[in-house]
Amino acid sequence: TQLLEQSPQFLSIQEGENLTVYCNSSSVFSSLQWYRQEPGEGPVLLVTVVTGGEVKKLKRLTFQFGDARKDSSLHITAAQPGDTGLYLCAASNAGNMLTFGGGTRLMVKP
Amino acid sequence: NAGVTQTPKFQVLKTGQSMTLQCAQDMNHEYMSWYRQDPGMGLRLIHYSVGAGITDQGEVPNGYNVSRSTTEDFPLRLLSAAPSQTSVYFCASRPMGQGARGYTFGSGTRLTVV
Repeated sequence: TQLLEQSPQFLSIQEGENLTVYCNSSSVFSSLQWYRQEPGEGPVLLVTVVTGGEVKKLKRLTFQFGDARKDSSLHITAAQPGDTGLYLCAASNAGNMLTFGGGTRLMVKP
Repeated sequence: NAGVTQTPKFQVLKTGQSMTLQCAQDMNHEYMSWYRQDPGMGLRLIHYSVGAGITDQGEVPNGYNVSRSTTEDFPLRLLSAAPSQTSVYFCASRPMGQGARGYTFGSGTRLTVV
């Protein structure tokens, strides 16, 4: 059983549509990160959220950390084919271990 | 370019063989770690190190050994490869005390054990 549950696992949409990816846990985390991974490459950090209720925006991407610091969401507005990839959430507590969710594989069709 | 370098990119082993996956970083990061990525499982932590001479186990350490003799290098050793160790392996690093800055990942080693 994974500590972080991501949903959906797969998402296929048309260019221009909006989408939301969720990352949920029963545990409280000190910080949560979102990564994007392309085939044949390692994950690349998109954002870190540390405060309950925090909202961060990165161009067309909006990240939110839940008030209780147990969940997070990633919303993409007007998705583009370049957004295609594997989106991973990862969380840590005070220790040195970073735990990853199972990932959401996004495909944006032109 | 500065970053995390992993070698080899691809490797095929026979069951029972041993090998070492190499990881080097040139960012003077104290923290280094090894993950394996399997379909539908995300990334799972194998071992990590908070500095030279210090290592600790992660979530799935069995069958793997690590050592950290320098800040730059963190090799992962498979003592006797098993088909269950077929996976993509990633090395990652970050400065200590700056977890919020995120991890820098290498591009991975795809290992197949037959």
